[in-house]
Amino acid sequence: AQKITQTQPGMFVQEKEAVTLDCTYDTSDQSYGLFWYKQPSSGEMIFLIYQGSYDEQNATEGRYSLNFQKARKSANLVISASQLGDSAMYFCAMREPWNDMRFGAGTRLTVKP
Amino acid sequence: DVKVTQSSRYLVKRTGEKVFLECVQDMDHENMFWYRQDPGLGLRLIYFSYDVKMKEKGDIPEGYSVSREKKERFSLILESASTNQTSMYLCATTKARAIRQETQYFGPGTRLLVL
Repeated sequence: AQKITQTQPGMFVQEKEAVTLDCTYDTSDQSYGLFWYKQPSSGEMIFLIYQGSYDEQNATEGRYSLNFQKARKSANLVISASQLGDSAMYFCAMREPWNDMRFGAGTRLTVKP
Repeated sequence: DVKVTQSSRYLVKRTGEKVFLECVQDMDHENMFWYRQDPGLGLRLIYFSYDVKMKEKGDIPEGYSVSREKKERFSLILESASTNQTSMYLCATTKARAIRQETQYFGPGTRLLVL
């Protein structure tokens, strides 16, 4: 069964600094997709970034990048130049074709001014 | 833009009441999902549906049922609410289950408190 592990329940970062949120996953499939979502206090889940298992380059979307290390089965999210608005819960998720998305427990990020 | 709406943002119910949570999407997506979110547990799948009148159990279906009479609408039903069903409930949709890079689109969530 798929399993997603986020070992950091909470993280703090100073405004304008970079932060890495950890995610490891477990799958026996060769084809899968990795996702990161942001959930502000309002509750809505916002899709941030996607990485495919066959993608050779790390995904980037603006200030978000995904540090994908396939052999280690890790998919860490890097947020550069943190902003106060980045304070939120962050969820890592994985999906195999024809299977449902599985989510980690989440990391609460707090950006300090 | 995909729009997913949920009938209530906040709901307070009493133990034993029948509770309906409704989700509506406007993007003609085949697949719809109900999750519950609890601190330290992430999102757990309750039920999903890949077509009208079709439903599949997720990881934690006990105490819940669902209904999908129309493609755009997916309802979660708590037949007899209990305090351990106090949680945040999230609805999501996706177009194609076969495609691994297909993201899910989420509604705003319903925070349910059962007293």
